[in-house]
Amino acid sequence: DQQVKQNSPSLSVQEGRISILNCDYTNSMFDYFLWYKKYPAEGPTFLISISSIKDKNEDGRFTVFLNKSAKHLSLHIVPSQPGDSAVYFCAARRTGANSKLTFGKGITLSVRP
Amino acid sequence: GAGVSQSPSNKVTEKGKDVELRCDPISGHTALYWYRQSLGQGLEFLIYFQGNSAPDKSGLPSDRFSAERTGGSVSTLTIQRTQQEDSAVYLCASSLNGGSSYNEQFFGPGTRLTVL
Repeated sequence: DQQVKQNSPSLSVQEGRISILNCDYTNSMFDYFLWYKKYPAEGPTFLISISSIKDKNEDGRFTVFLNKSAKHLSLHIVPSQPGDSAVYFCAARRTGANSKLTFGKGITLSVRP
Repeated sequence: GAGVSQSPSNKVTEKGKDVELRCDPISGHTALYWYRQSLGQGLEFLIYFQGNSAPDKSGLPSDRFSAERTGGSVSTLTIQRTQQEDSAVYLCASSLNGGSSYNEQFFGPGTRLTVL
């Protein structure tokens, strides 16, 4: 059963516009959420995270929003750049679970010049 | 570079053969994780090592899978009698430590395993 869901497999956005990547989760015990970015033939790299005690975390062009009641989070990238084209994974963990991460299937973002 | 390294980068094997995949974590990182990504799927947790503690093997899909971490550093993931469904990218990650507080996991480039 998929505890972290990224229901859209791909997203295409014009350079300079906003990219919104969505993620839903089912396990209410998750208390920390992360976004990873992955280029082909490379391992995922950490992008941004948010604790369940917050509803927003911002880092430069990247902002993550968390709606606990809806068990939903989203990653906003603004403005989008061609170098942002990659696969984005949403991940979650719960305290006491040895920090192992539960990942979604990923979404492929393409930013058109 | 002092990142996580994995070898081989690609491995093609025949069904029924055993394979060993290697991970060199970042020096000083006490926590080490193995994940795999099958085609069209997210990363799936396999096993976790933390220092000298007993590993968390809860993600290993069958008893054909095993892993060791020697001297608290290098780790080897072994798959015995490989099956076609074992074909995936196997990713290793390390962090300063695991446990209750989160420390960033740094991933290696992965080993792409193809079982014919």
